[in-house]
Amino acid sequence: EAGVTQSPTHLIKTRGQQATLRCSPISGHTSVYWYQQALGLGLQFLLWYDEGEERNRGNFPPRFSGRQFPNYSSELNVNALELEDSALYLCASTAFLQETQYFGPGTRLLVL
Amino acid sequence: QKEVEQNSGPLSVPEGAIASLNCTYSDRGSQSFFWYRQYSGKSPELIMSIYSNGDKEDGRFTAQLNKASQYVSLLIRDSQPSDSATYLCAAAPNQAGTALIFGKGTTLSVSS
Repeated sequence: EAGVTQSPTHLIKTRGQQATLRCSPISGHTSVYWYQQALGLGLQFLLWYDEGEERNRGNFPPRFSGRQFPNYSSELNVNALELEDSALYLCASTAFLQETQYFGPGTRLLVL
Repeated sequence: QKEVEQNSGPLSVPEGAIASLNCTYSDRGSQSFFWYRQYSGKSPELIMSIYSNGDKEDGRFTAQLNKASQYVSLLIRDSQPSDSATYLCAAAPNQAGTALIFGKGTTLSVSS
């Protein structure tokens, strides 16, 4: 069974640009979580999507947004990129009403 | 604010020794706890979950939970150099619609 997949693996942008990151959950999983992990820091919760709806978001500005598609895949958009947005962005998925999260390989975003 | 605390380490143990990783959490209502292993530059990988007070064993890994003390630990027996990684402790808040709360992780170094 395929795990969580993310694309691209690496992304290089300049300040002010927009970045789009994608995630496909494990087959049968309906919830997708996004996290940011800056170098040397812990996982910071960004967004949670379930059944196509945004269910919760962490303490991040509105320029971090996303959506979940009918096939449960998800997209994270970061507008007006800032240097401090450089980080590993992780996506995790869970099955319905389950708490165990399974992570994808991540997208490493570098903002120059 | 709900938190999960871990000693950042590094925790250094010789090959073959027992590594003991500890975690405390602030949300007394949390019922589910998880240990993830994260190699440098990689995404977190689930090692174990624990829901009841006491011990849970899986191969060389034993998770221990004490809800009265709000304490979770992970023991790694017969530590191997390949166990060298950062170990993340996570707690599921007892509140619908919230993501797992992760500690910042403990770095383990196993020397051969």
